[in-house]
Amino acid sequence: AQSVTQLDSQVPVFEEAPVELRCNYSSSVSVYLFWYVQYPNQGLQLLLKYLSGSTLVESINGFEAEFNKSQTSFHLRKPSVHISDTAEYFCAVSDQQGAQKLVFGQGTRLTINP
Amino acid sequence: EPEVTQTPSHQVTQMGQEVILRCVPISNHLYFYWYRQILGQKVEFLVSFYNNEISEKSEIFDDQFSVERPDGSNFTLKIRSTKLEDSAMYFCASRRESSGANVLTFGAGSRLTVL
Repeated sequence: AQSVTQLDSQVPVFEEAPVELRCNYSSSVSVYLFWYVQYPNQGLQLLLKYLSGSTLVESINGFEAEFNKSQTSFHLRKPSVHISDTAEYFCAVSDQQGAQKLVFGQGTRLTINP
Repeated sequence: EPEVTQTPSHQVTQMGQEVILRCVPISNHLYFYWYRQILGQKVEFLVSFYNNEISEKSEIFDDQFSVERPDGSNFTLKIRSTKLEDSAMYFCASRRESSGANVLTFGAGSRLTVL
């Protein structure tokens, strides 16, 4: 069985400041890793994913995450946040075989202050 | 871009009533899922569905829940007799099967309020 831990339930930052949202996972098998974003009153949108290859993955809106197998982490970073980044961010893992269901972390609420 | 469509967006029901939540997955997708998110909590897996049968289900998905794909396009979640604790946002997702990895696409969700 897999599990995902997001260590911070809320992260307040000022606009244009850097941010890191932490994610650690536990699994006995190889996994795929994802970050999903949920804007207020909306559904889940894929932000970025790690499937294989380069351990550093990037999104189109400036976020990046690095897969660290030894530390079983997949932290999300952005060097300079914008007000529009205010949202809930969910880290998730899935098996590489079978139904590949997603197991989500508890979520981190990112609040950007002007 | 193809979308997963869910209806209704919000449903209010009385405890004990049956509820059906509907989803239209992306047309060439073969794996289907239901997740739920109780207000303020994390997103939880309910069930996955492939080749017209349940492939995996969680402990949450008890006998009060059922899924079916009645007409080859819709994918429904039925709650037979709703309880207060069934109040949540329910998300449908679909995935295109391939030999490698592929990604779940989620719908916007159906908010269920049980009174």
